[in-house]
Amino acid sequence: EPEVTQTPSHQVTQMGQEVILRCVPISNHLYFYWYRQILGQKVEFLVSFYNNEISEKSEIFDDQFSVERPDGSNFTLKIRSTKLEDSAMYFCASRIDRELYEQYFGPGTRLTVT
Amino acid sequence: AQSVTQLDSQVPVFEEAPVELRCNYSSSVSVYLFWYVQYPNQGLQLLLKYLSGSTLVKGINGFEAEFNKSQTSFHLRKPSVHISDTAEYFCAVTLGGYQKVTFGIGTKLQVIP
Repeated sequence: EPEVTQTPSHQVTQMGQEVILRCVPISNHLYFYWYRQILGQKVEFLVSFYNNEISEKSEIFDDQFSVERPDGSNFTLKIRSTKLEDSAMYFCASRIDRELYEQYFGPGTRLTVT
Repeated sequence: AQSVTQLDSQVPVFEEAPVELRCNYSSSVSVYLFWYVQYPNQGLQLLLKYLSGSTLVKGINGFEAEFNKSQTSFHLRKPSVHISDTAEYFCAVTLGGYQKVTFGIGTKLQVIP
């Protein structure tokens, strides 16, 4: 069964450094999402992406964050200058189309900012 | 805006006993409801979903949930739990279209041998 994959599974970085989290959505899916889960807290929406542009973003998704679909398969989340509070599990998700509402989640990347 | 409330942060239950994990939602428009499970150190796996039709939906691993529009609830049930059901369970809602999924805070199910 096709699945969403994410790399790396764990990323450790120093405060102020840039990180790029990578996701490969399911191949025929058209909608892409990033969520994060700070330890012990709920899963929070960051951004949705469709047709090569952001369709919605949360207040968490400030100028330090950006997303890109650089080719036909990858979907990336970049954090320009990481802060301690960016430490979280980041989940990528994809959805096939507008009518089917189920989002398929990847296994997550645990980001630790020291 | 939609929101989800999971009333229990932790639910301990003995193996082979029944369990109910409660979820209430709030929205001014029709919503689509989901339960996801997260096993330790893993991602989110869809257990079941309610989109339309029958209000009783069956999912994987013997779980089922009932959509109750008048009570704005979507409680998850299993008649007999196993040790392997120990995980965190998230209720979630979306308005449809390309809209985001809004998650509840999660309920940790601990199955006691």
